[in-house]
Amino acid sequence: DAGVIQSPRHEVTEMGQEVTLRCKPISGHDYLFWYRQTMMRGLELLIYFNNNVPIDDSGMPEDRFSAKMPNASFSTLKIQPSEPRDSAVYFCASSSFLISTDTQYFGPGTRLTVL
Amino acid sequence: SQKIEQNSEALNIQEGKTATLTCNYTNYSPAYLQWYRQDPGRGPVFLLLIRENEKEKRKERLKVTFDTTLKQSLFHITASQPADSATYLCALDMDTGRRALTFGSGTRLQVQP
Repeated sequence: DAGVIQSPRHEVTEMGQEVTLRCKPISGHDYLFWYRQTMMRGLELLIYFNNNVPIDDSGMPEDRFSAKMPNASFSTLKIQPSEPRDSAVYFCASSSFLISTDTQYFGPGTRLTVL
Repeated sequence: SQKIEQNSEALNIQEGKTATLTCNYTNYSPAYLQWYRQDPGRGPVFLLLIRENEKEKRKERLKVTFDTTLKQSLFHITASQPADSATYLCALDMDTGRRALTFGSGTRLQVQP
């Protein structure tokens, strides 16, 4: 398996623009998580899905953030409009409780810079 | 709310020595605790999981202890090598029945040759 795939790896955009981050989880995993990592706040959970259904989005900072999972192999995290304080590394992770308890497998991350 | 504390200062040790990292938590009794390794520019990678009824877990040169009374986990790397240099994160399950984890801020380990 190729592991969790994220795209793009790097994104530089200007304030006010829409940003879409993409994630392909490991095949067979039924949980998908979106995290944001900054030096100040560490690794923060934004939202997670189970079987494509959002379970907890309490970590989503504002209405500017939205996430979807239209099928078991694809998820997006959208920021509209983007702001400089959204600059961070965004990670996607997946897991399967039945296969490996709650071990999470992380993608390589998307480094977002909002100018 | 749940709080996880890891030593924010970097830990510098000499090659061959044992590195010991600490993870303390408050306001919760987790069913298990996990340790992850993160290298610069990469996502965290799972290392070990220890359950609340386990005192100790080992994997090759790694050893994790879990003291639910002290609300503390210790992570040891024996015979450390420069390749062990990375940031190590501990993580707890957030709530019974939920599958999300709360991560500590991590401790950066630097092993000097």
